[in-house]
Amino acid sequence: EVQLLESGGGLVQPGGSLRLSCVASGFTFSSYAMRWVRQAPGKGLEWVSTLSVSGATYYADSAKGRFTISRDNSKNTLYLQMNSLRGEDTAVYYCAKHQSSGSGYSPSDYWGQGTLVTVSS
Amino acid sequence: EIVLTQSPGTLSLSPGERATLSCRASQSVSSSYLAWYQQKPGQAPRLLIYGASSRATGIPDRFSGSGSGTDFTLTISRLEPEDFAVYYCQQFGSSPLTFGGGTKVEMK
Repeated sequence: EVQLLESGGGLVQPGGSLRLSCVASGFTFSSYAMRWVRQAPGKGLEWVSTLSVSGATYYADSAKGRFTISRDNSKNTLYLQMNSLRGEDTAVYYCAKHQSSGSGYSPSDYWGQGTLVTVSS
Repeated sequence: EIVLTQSPGTLSLSPGERATLSCRASQSVSSSYLAWYQQKPGQAPRLLIYGASSRATGIPDRFSGSGSGTDFTLTISRLEPEDFAVYYCQQFGSSPLTFGGGTKVEMK
């Protein structure tokens, strides 16, 4: 059974940093690209970042220069390092698995339960 | 950036009725790269449809997707009580990946 378990969320002051983690199980983690998607309270879904199998990284404009996506295949873990946090970064952050292995475009077939990040003084 | 506009914002229907949800793109989207998700309160999104018309694993056949180019549709043939939720379309073939604003299907 595929499982994705996020952690690392919490309350942080504007300008602060957080590192989110997503531990994966039930599939060959190293074979799949992974994404972070966020959802502000009461709002819709917003893509944040994608990390391909080859290590290529992609970011939304809102995340460029502040967020870094990475993975440790030996630990089956995806990370999102978030720096210079702003109030508008307040959201539930979901990690999600690409449906298809390898490279290429793919929807997300499994999602974690999310971790809440609150940026406030 | 491809903007996806979903309509209506809210759909008020009764169990057993048919639901038709629209997703319109600001520019052409390959059908291969259009997906639909369902999200219930307090839960993560769930993949329903990919490739515009293919049902994801375990999705009942009352859910169907259609469309091409800039106009896509999600149809729920007969609403079950568990289908009342928010539905999002997504395109993932062009960067940045984008979602529509969602359609809430509520019980009348």
